Amino acid sequence: KQEVTQIPAALSVPEGENLVLNCSFTDSAIYNLQWFRQDPGKGLTSLLLIQSSQREQTSGRLNASLDKSSGRSTLYIAASQPGDSATYLCAVRMLGSSNTGKLIFGQGTTLQVKP
Amino acid sequence: GAVVSQHPSRVICKSGTSVKIECRSLDFQATTMFWYRQFPKQSLMLMATSNEGSKATYEQGVEKDKFLINHASLTLSTLTVTSAHPEDSSFYICSARDRGPYNSPLHFGNGTRLTVT
Repeated sequence: KQEVTQIPAALSVPEGENLVLNCSFTDSAIYNLQWFRQDPGKGLTSLLLIQSSQREQTSGRLNASLDKSSGRSTLYIAASQPGDSATYLCAVRMLGSSNTGKLIFGQGTTLQVKP
Repeated sequence: GAVVSQHPSRVICKSGTSVKIECRSLDFQATTMFWYRQFPKQSLMLMATSNEGSKATYEQGVEKDKFLINHASLTLSTLTVTSAHPEDSSFYICSARDRGPYNSPLHFGNGTRLTVT
């Protein structure tokens, strides 16, 4: 059974700092890995999606890496801003038709960026 | 981009009543929809996979008679919480997969906040 773990559970940093969020998964038979942002009481916003054959994806100040063999992914946020404060969720898309393409989520990292 | 509409966004109901939540794909056909549940400060837990025209597949520990799922068309799936209790209060999110292979993109609704009093 796939298990997705995110460390740390919560993080507080001053504005402008670079930071790294970690995600690990136990089953490397994934199709892709996706990072989401969730604001309190809101739905999900997709940030980056990395296919299993890729090593990283970048969008603006965000960079996500994937090491499928070791079951790890990181989300790097450069020059953090107060508007980055949110919960960041990592999710893996399972391989194989028997899994019907479902996503398995980690517990999330709640980020607070202080002005 | 593809849009998934979830309705209502918030609902308050009394204990013992039933509540229906709708998930619609607005500009694409969704063969499969997924229903997730999220307790405060916790992650999204997959409840069930809904396939158009067939019975839903429930994850272990999810009561199928409690959470009724209907996927009668390629653009609509509904989740009905029957005989709701306060412990059913949660955030429910649906996700729809484009028609096509299992790795087709997934699109999320904005969620429904259910409060049972």
